[in-house]
Amino acid sequence: AQSVTQLGSHVSVSEGALVLLRCNYSSSVPPYLFWYVQYPNQGLQLLLKYTSAATLVKGINGFEAEFKKSETSFHLTKPSAHMSDAAEYFCAVSRKGGGKLIFGQGTELSVKP
Amino acid sequence: DTAVSQTPKYLVTQMGNDKSIKCEQNLGHDTMYWYKQDSKKFLKIMFSYNNKELIINETVPNRFSPKSPDKAHLNLHINSLELGDSAVYFCASSWQAEGYTFGSGTRLTVV
Repeated sequence: AQSVTQLGSHVSVSEGALVLLRCNYSSSVPPYLFWYVQYPNQGLQLLLKYTSAATLVKGINGFEAEFKKSETSFHLTKPSAHMSDAAEYFCAVSRKGGGKLIFGQGTELSVKP
Repeated sequence: DTAVSQTPKYLVTQMGNDKSIKCEQNLGHDTMYWYKQDSKKFLKIMFSYNNKELIINETVPNRFSPKSPDKAHLNLHINSLELGDSAVYFCASSWQAEGYTFGSGTRLTVV
């Protein structure tokens, strides 16, 4: 079975500050891990994905995430927050070869001027 | 050229009605999904089809019936709509687990 836990349903940062959104996973098989972003009233956009290649994954909009097997984590970071980063962020897990994508509860990121 | 397109984008209907949501993907993916996003933004899978074959059915009421006429289309029909069906429904497609592409969603409001 697979599951994802996102720590913190709401994170608030100041513009220019570091963004850190936490994600821990549970999987009985090697996982594929994803971060998606959802802007208000829009669909889900893929930020980045880990598919068993490099453990440090770079995505769009300056985001990156590091797969740490020992910590079963896949935290999302961005060095400097922009106002446009305010959105809902979802961590998700699937298994190699396909199958359903299982989402965490989501973290709402607010960026203060 | 939209990769995964859903129609309609908004759907307001009365309790007891029957409605359908359509989804089409032009990515050549072999697997399609329906997800439900509730009012707390939690995303939960409902169904998955692989090459027109149902492979996932996650404890969804029988009032929900997916139909896949071909691997590029996955429609969702809902009978006897209830207030609790109000949500945003997302269609998605994938090729193995290399990437999941989502549609823009259908916001269903049952009144």
